Amino acid sequence: RKEVEQDPGPFNVPEGATVAFNCTYSNSASQSFFWYRQDCRKEPKLLMSVYSSGNEDGRFTAQLNRASQYISLLIRDSKLSDSATYLCVVVASGSARQLTFGSGTQLTVLP
Amino acid sequence: DGGITQSPKYLFRKEGQNVTLSCEQNLNHDAMYWYRQDPGQGLRLIYYSQIVNDFQKGDIAEGYSVSREKKESFPLTVTSAQKNPTAFYLCASRGRQVNTEAFFGQGTRLTVV
Repeated sequence: RKEVEQDPGPFNVPEGATVAFNCTYSNSASQSFFWYRQDCRKEPKLLMSVYSSGNEDGRFTAQLNRASQYISLLIRDSKLSDSATYLCVVVASGSARQLTFGSGTQLTVLP
Repeated sequence: DGGITQSPKYLFRKEGQNVTLSCEQNLNHDAMYWYRQDPGQGLRLIYYSQIVNDFQKGDIAEGYSVSREKKESFPLTVTSAQKNPTAFYLCASRGRQVNTEAFFGQGTRLTVV
């Protein structure tokens, strides 16, 4: 079983739609969680951190469920510019490797 | 401005050649990482280093080598032993605290010709 798993998609949604991605992790010692966005042929960039209480940044909402060991990202009112690959990242303390990436979920927002 | 810089952006290698990819950061980060990304795929860890003069193999270290002589620098050498080196290579760095995010360089696109 992979340490971090994501549905690869692709998700094709119309402009204005709401879309949600999930990411599951296997290491219960994981402590920090992030969502990154990667545009085609570019480096990943931080979209938002994920806090235990959940957090929101404009149209984006991230949630953490420690009991079920998953994090989620909700995008409301999708824009064409949201088209990208979304990567979840899990950090586990006590793990020498610390940083584990999911394989990414591809989103295309259609006009 | 603080950041992480990779060079070159594009690199062409002849078969049998070794090439070195540069990664420099001025963020005072302890940890540095090298990832490989193939088209349509996720990031795979090649090597990582948590402190100067120490580094560890990741999932796909065969055919690659690294050094960490300075905190700011973590160069990656793609050796002739790497049979399929054409890929997008990403370097990242991260602070010591567990809640800090990783910062990426712009990547190096390596092509074997």
